[in-house]
Amino acid sequence: AAGVIQSPRHLIKEKRETATLKCYPIPRHDTVYWYQQGPGQDPQFLISFYEKMQSDKGSIPDRFSAQQFSDYHSELNMSSLELGDSALYFCASSGRQVVGTEAFFGQGTRLTVV
Amino acid sequence: GENVEQHPSTLSVQEGDSAVIKCTYSDSASNYFPWYKQELGKRPQLIIDIRSNVGEKKDQRIAVTLNKTAKHFSLHITETQPEDSAVYFCAASLPTDSWGKLQFGAGTQVVVTP
Repeated sequence: AAGVIQSPRHLIKEKRETATLKCYPIPRHDTVYWYQQGPGQDPQFLISFYEKMQSDKGSIPDRFSAQQFSDYHSELNMSSLELGDSALYFCASSGRQVVGTEAFFGQGTRLTVV
Repeated sequence: GENVEQHPSTLSVQEGDSAVIKCTYSDSASNYFPWYKQELGKRPQLIIDIRSNVGEKKDQRIAVTLNKTAKHFSLHITETQPEDSAVYFCAASLPTDSWGKLQFGAGTQVVVTP
């Protein structure tokens, strides 16, 4: 079965650089969520989109932005990177209208800021 | 907002024994409680979930119980096996949120020794 696809899987950036993470949800899923997980921490909700509109916002820094496109894929844009942004970034998707409610996570992008 | 507490933070069990992880939540309006298993560096994987109109749910060796009055829910793993070793996260979601906007507990590192 198709799963949530994230790219890239690994990313190394220098401080003050920008990064773009991509997420392709499970087919027919209309909602995408972004989470940040630091080492030894639980996943922290950043932001979500439903039908291409921002549906909720969590602890997302102002330096980060995200959007969902017409094909339902989503991108998380991170600017002025800091060492503390080093973490695993997960995207999850769910289908409110069609295929059930639980959220399935992608394999994550490991971002390292040096 | 919702706050989820999880205990214990680490749990060591002998193979074949049972493991119990407990979580409490703060917002009585929360109505969806999933449990995720996460192996090192990998994605959180949904292993079982329960909604607030159900008191108990079982799936083979895994069961979850929910006490809405006390605002706590628990994960029970019976006949533990070495492959059960992982970090387990409980989570809660409010009905005003989509099912993927989750407040996680801090996680329990489960180690099953042969």
